[in-house]
Amino acid sequence: AQSVTQLGSHVSVSEGALVLLRCNYSSSVPPYLFWYVQYPNQGLQLLLKYTTGATLVKGINGFEAEFKKSETSFHLTKPSAHMSDAAEYFCAVSDRYAGGTSYGKLTFGQGTILTVHP
Amino acid sequence: EPEVTQTPSHQVTQMGQEVILRCVPISNHLYFYWYRQILGQKVEFLVSFYNNEISEKSEIFDDQFSVERPDGSNFTLKIRSTKLEDSAMYFCASTVGQGAETQYFGPGTRLLVL
Repeated sequence: AQSVTQLGSHVSVSEGALVLLRCNYSSSVPPYLFWYVQYPNQGLQLLLKYTTGATLVKGINGFEAEFKKSETSFHLTKPSAHMSDAAEYFCAVSDRYAGGTSYGKLTFGQGTILTVHP
Repeated sequence: EPEVTQTPSHQVTQMGQEVILRCVPISNHLYFYWYRQILGQKVEFLVSFYNNEISEKSEIFDDQFSVERPDGSNFTLKIRSTKLEDSAMYFCASTVGQGAETQYFGPGTRLLVL
């Protein structure tokens, strides 16, 4: 079964500092990889995803993530944090199509709460 | 921009009572999902639904749970006899296709079982 590990349940940065949120997956076949963000009292919103092709993926709000197969990682970064980035971030994976109709479910990491200090 | 909506936003119920959580997926989407998040824990998959039938369910989704799409727009999750441990945030999601397609999530229903 798939599992996703996000290192650090809480990350705190200063405004303008680099944001780095870590995500590792366990799968012999690289899955589809997603980062979602959740603002208070809102649903999960897709930041970016990796499906195929270029391993550096750019998303909304200046975030990007790099798929590294050798490290089974998909870390999320942003060069300069903004106060509005404060939220909870979830890494998630889904299995690549293996036939049949029962795939597409997302397996989530435990989430990382990002705090941005002025 | 189209969005997934969920009602109610909060629900408090007594143990043993039935609850129905409602979701309106994005109109042209074909695949529907329920997830839940117990406070302090991971978001967990419950069930996926396609072509008016369950395509996959987790171990959590036992006989107390059921889903249906009664009218072609709503997608509901019913818990027949709630337990204390069913207290969680329940998220509905929908997508136009499988696998690499983005799942769009609703804002969630916070269920509290007393």
